[in-house]
Amino acid sequence: DGGITQSPKYLFRKEGQNVTLSCEQNLNHDAMYWYRQDPGQGLRLIYYSQIVNDFQKGDIAEGYSVSREKKESFPLTVTSAQKNPTAFYLCASSIKWGTEAFFGQGTRLTVV
Amino acid sequence: QKEVEQNSGPLSVPEGAIASLNCTYSDRGSQSFFWYRQYSGKSPELIMFIYSNGDKEDGRFTAQLNKASQYVSLLIRDSQPSDSATYLCAGGDNNAGNMLTFGGGTRLMVKP
Repeated sequence: DGGITQSPKYLFRKEGQNVTLSCEQNLNHDAMYWYRQDPGQGLRLIYYSQIVNDFQKGDIAEGYSVSREKKESFPLTVTSAQKNPTAFYLCASSIKWGTEAFFGQGTRLTVV
Repeated sequence: QKEVEQNSGPLSVPEGAIASLNCTYSDRGSQSFFWYRQYSGKSPELIMFIYSNGDKEDGRFTAQLNKASQYVSLLIRDSQPSDSATYLCAGGDNNAGNMLTFGGGTRLMVKP
């Protein structure tokens, strides 16, 4: 069953803690993306990767970090430097950069 | 700053009517456009993409692109209550490596 898997679905974090969100795809897609969505808002790009071992900052990268050591995996770490991390985080992938992107089911992060 | 603008709505239409969702973009370099549907609390799912001026039809959905006017639209014929969702428009810019920029979304309500 091909697709994009994000885990966990819900995540709670204490202030000052780093947390890592998982994103795995078995679609053999080259490009992967992380977006953030706040209530009633559109999607804002955090980081993207066009190919394995390469990634670039998006519009709101501050307080986040990523890695792309494997083609199928693109984990996102929300660090304590991110001042307002409570949001819905969406991972997406596309067969190549610029083509239609497909999304995982999302991770809802809440800072408590 | 590349921008994709959508009326946030809600757009309310009766069941069976045509729903017209509109999107404008500021970057003339944008070459490809995507429409996503997002149900509340869920991740976006791709409905259609369009690259060329004119109309593209897929079932009850028609995407329209007018590059001269920097305008993209999505028509939904025979609207159903199950079409009630937020519709996100996204534009890709070849000159920026096809970076996808999302609009804020239009909330559609189809009333029985």
